[in-house]
Amino acid sequence: NAGVTQTPKFRILKIGQSMTLQCAQDMNHNYMYWYRQDPGMGLKLIYYSVGAGITDKGEVPNGYNVSRSTTEDFPLRLELAAPSQTSVYFCASSTPRYGYTFGSGTRLTVV
Amino acid sequence: AQKVTQAQTEISVVEKEDVTLDCVYETRDTTYYLFWYKQPPSGELVFLIRRNSFDEQNEISGRYSWNFQKSTSSFNFTITASQVVDSAVYFCALSGGGAGSYQLTFGKGTKLSVIP
Repeated sequence: NAGVTQTPKFRILKIGQSMTLQCAQDMNHNYMYWYRQDPGMGLKLIYYSVGAGITDKGEVPNGYNVSRSTTEDFPLRLELAAPSQTSVYFCASSTPRYGYTFGSGTRLTVV
Repeated sequence: AQKVTQAQTEISVVEKEDVTLDCVYETRDTTYYLFWYKQPPSGELVFLIRRNSFDEQNEISGRYSWNFQKSTSSFNFTITASQVVDSAVYFCALSGGGAGSYQLTFGKGTKLSVIP
């Protein structure tokens, strides 16, 4: 089925470890986003991309990096995991006409 | 800057009652989009509706209805004859309509509990 695929679904990291959250979409959407959702809060934008090779910071970018080498993929990198990065991460893609499609989320715990 | 306020943190209703979830937004854009999403206990985000700023007609979809009032910057969501399956966190969100401004700004969500 077409949509946004996120992997992994769950991950436990130790403080200081690094990891990459994968996100792929097969709808040829130019716009892609990474959001994080902390308990009892709405989603906050980490990074976004308006097309391959173009990325920009959102509201809460510190501690994260992204790249967009292809239209399909938009990985999120955590270099030195900290407990404050414990959250649920959502990737999304969009077009102006058809709106947003969200992935199913990655639940990350940093211990 | 854009802002979405959902003043109701948690609401509990008895099954079959009607319930309205409030959403107030702030934006300087003249063109923008408003959204409602449902997040059930399983955690995924379920799209409910998108409304653009030029369309103030109210919308009804089954037991769901939405009241968009530009004059009060509100986009409220009503569930009629609530059911246990409606129990979830509901998010209101806003995006700009200009090129490059499509990122969503979310409210903090309203947790709805429908009691059998």
